[in-house]
Amino acid sequence: GESVGLHLPTLSVQEGDNSIINCAYSNSASDYFIWYKQESGKGPQFIIDIRSNMDKRQGQRVTVLLNKTVKHLSLQIAATQPGDSAVYFCAESDSGGYQKVTFGTGTKLQVIP
Amino acid sequence: SQTIHQWPATLVQPVGSPLSLECTVEGTSNPNLYWYRQAAGRGLQLLFYSVGIGQISSEVPQNLSASRPQDRQFILSSKKLLLSDSGFYLCASPGAEGGYTFGSGTRLTVV
Repeated sequence: GESVGLHLPTLSVQEGDNSIINCAYSNSASDYFIWYKQESGKGPQFIIDIRSNMDKRQGQRVTVLLNKTVKHLSLQIAATQPGDSAVYFCAESDSGGYQKVTFGTGTKLQVIP
Repeated sequence: SQTIHQWPATLVQPVGSPLSLECTVEGTSNPNLYWYRQAAGRGLQLLFYSVGIGQISSEVPQNLSASRPQDRQFILSSKKLLLSDSGFYLCASPGAEGGYTFGSGTRLTVV
């Protein structure tokens, strides 16, 4: 079936540096992509989303880039802080009638103080 | 704003015992509701989704069932738990700002 996956299972960055988390997807019909942050023992938290008619979207300290040609999605976190340490998931949807979302396995971001 | 409540937060149950996890939603009406399971170090697996009262769709064959007795209530059940049912169970609903809003989850350990 269709799948969403991440290139790196763990990413370690120095506090203050920028972080880039990558994701590949395989469903060419996907038209909606989401990044979630999950802290230990908690449910995932929505960070930012992007639709397939865009290639970039910015939020507060975060930017999502979408490259539909190579089916690649990335999350950039500027000036990474210790509070950013968490597992980050990308997810995709083809806007099915029940908004079914497929999640990747996650990348653990470790911020080194 | 939309809030999803799940309980209990943690649960340890013996193999063969029944299970009932409850999810309630505030701040929205007639939401689509979802049950996901997350195994340790892995992504989220969709178990069930519901588009309305009494309407349940199952994504994977398993030892679990779901029910939606009220508009904002979604229940995950099992008659006899298996060791493989251990995991982190999350209830979700489409969020107002995008994606899903998730509950805080239930950590189930079957022993």
